[in-house]
Amino acid sequence: GAGVSQSPSNKVTEKGKDVELRCDPISGHTALYWYRQSLGQGLEFLIYFQGNSAPDKSGLPSDRFSAERTGGSVSTLTIQRTQQEDSAVYLCASSSWTSGRGETQYFGPGTRLLVL
Amino acid sequence: AQSVSQHNHHVILSEAASLELGCNYSYGGTVNLFWYVQYPGQHLQLLLKYFSGDPLVKGIKGFEAEFIKSKFSFNLRKPSVQWSDTAEYFCAVNARGGSYIPTFGRGTSLIVHP
Repeated sequence: GAGVSQSPSNKVTEKGKDVELRCDPISGHTALYWYRQSLGQGLEFLIYFQGNSAPDKSGLPSDRFSAERTGGSVSTLTIQRTQQEDSAVYLCASSSWTSGRGETQYFGPGTRLLVL
Repeated sequence: AQSVSQHNHHVILSEAASLELGCNYSYGGTVNLFWYVQYPGQHLQLLLKYFSGDPLVKGIKGFEAEFIKSKFSFNLRKPSVQWSDTAEYFCAVNARGGSYIPTFGRGTSLIVHP
């Protein structure tokens, strides 16, 4: 079946503008994660959705970042008033939750964000 | 909270050389351990994982990793690398009984010369 998809693949924006990044997880996957990957850095956890539970927002770096997941499927990550330090690749991953042990994550191709 | 340390940030090898990438984590409880790989221009994908049982785990493409609980380590190995193994390798850990959100290391860039 289809994997995780993300759009847009690339986004160039001006400092101070808002951006929205979209993630379509694998159908049936109840868990969805957003990460940020900066050059030379690992994956920085941003936010996690699991089913109908309240999202874990502990990784969001500031209140300019927010995310929602509609209908337990598609998720949108919004960055308001973008700053140059927000430039990074934003990765989305989804996983099933059959046993609660922490299943394999399936990653999307990422959105490369450049803030000028 | 758990943390993951990958000691080798850049590794350059010739084909047929042996590979070992270090991964150490800090967490006192029971963990699940993963190695992910990102080939140039491709998505991150799972290489292998450990949940329980035999601490020596076999993955795809001839990779293996050994969980040594006393050393909090999960090093990745391959006896003979190929040019196609050129990629970025990430170690990840999540804590059982917690939120299960994986923590990733900074990654190791492997370049294999033909």
